[in-house]
Amino acid sequence: DIVMTQSPDSLPVSLGERATIYCKSSQSLLYSSNDKNYLAWYQQKPGQPPKLLIYWASTRESGVPDRFSGSGSGTDFTLTISSLQAEDVAVYYCQHFDRTPQTFGQGTKVEI
Amino acid sequence: EVQLLESGGGLVQPGGSLRLSCAASGFTFSRYAMSWVRQAPGRGLEWVSGISSSGVSTYYADSVKGQFTISRDNSKNTLYLQMNGLRAEDTAVYYCAKDWFTGSHSGLFDYWGQGTRVTVSS
Repeated sequence: DIVMTQSPDSLPVSLGERATIYCKSSQSLLYSSNDKNYLAWYQQKPGQPPKLLIYWASTRESGVPDRFSGSGSGTDFTLTISSLQAEDVAVYYCQHFDRTPQTFGQGTKVEI
Repeated sequence: EVQLLESGGGLVQPGGSLRLSCAASGFTFSRYAMSWVRQAPGRGLEWVSGISSSGVSTYYADSVKGQFTISRDNSKNTLYLQMNGLRAEDTAVYYCAKDWFTGSHSGLFDYWGQGTRVTVSS
């Protein structure tokens, strides 16, 4: 199985500041056939289900604010919140979806 | 509006069984693969099982293979998870999740239900 490792586990950020979360996969998620990385990011607020933010490593899901961006390729990926808002307090998970089982990172808790 | 409503969770003794259901609306259910994802208390997300849009193909995490059975009834727009031989480590919130793509299981989820809680304890 592919192992997804996020860092840090917890990330205190001031309002308006940048938050950067890292995700590393144990195998490359880049498919040369379509030049796509099979990597997604989800946001989970307390008491709520996860919400898809980004897929193909950098494509923002419809309705997601543009302060959220994803980057990276192969085995190393980054989720950036350019200017943290109070409503962004949540746990963020990366996930690969290139094969079964689709595994998630352990989560990064973003707090003010 | 896409809605996924899980039901069937509860308290069950070790070794017992439960059947979870997920009623879907707001999209053409029969076109999309579906999955169950669980989250143990205070823990991260674990994909459990997936099923293709037709129901012909099913997929399981090693941790539940032979113990859980996923199925769907496209005429009722409903997804199921039959859970047998439950253990304490199966205690979790179980989410129903819709696949982003049509057809076969991809594991990219664009909609999630609110979840149903399963507690395995004597």
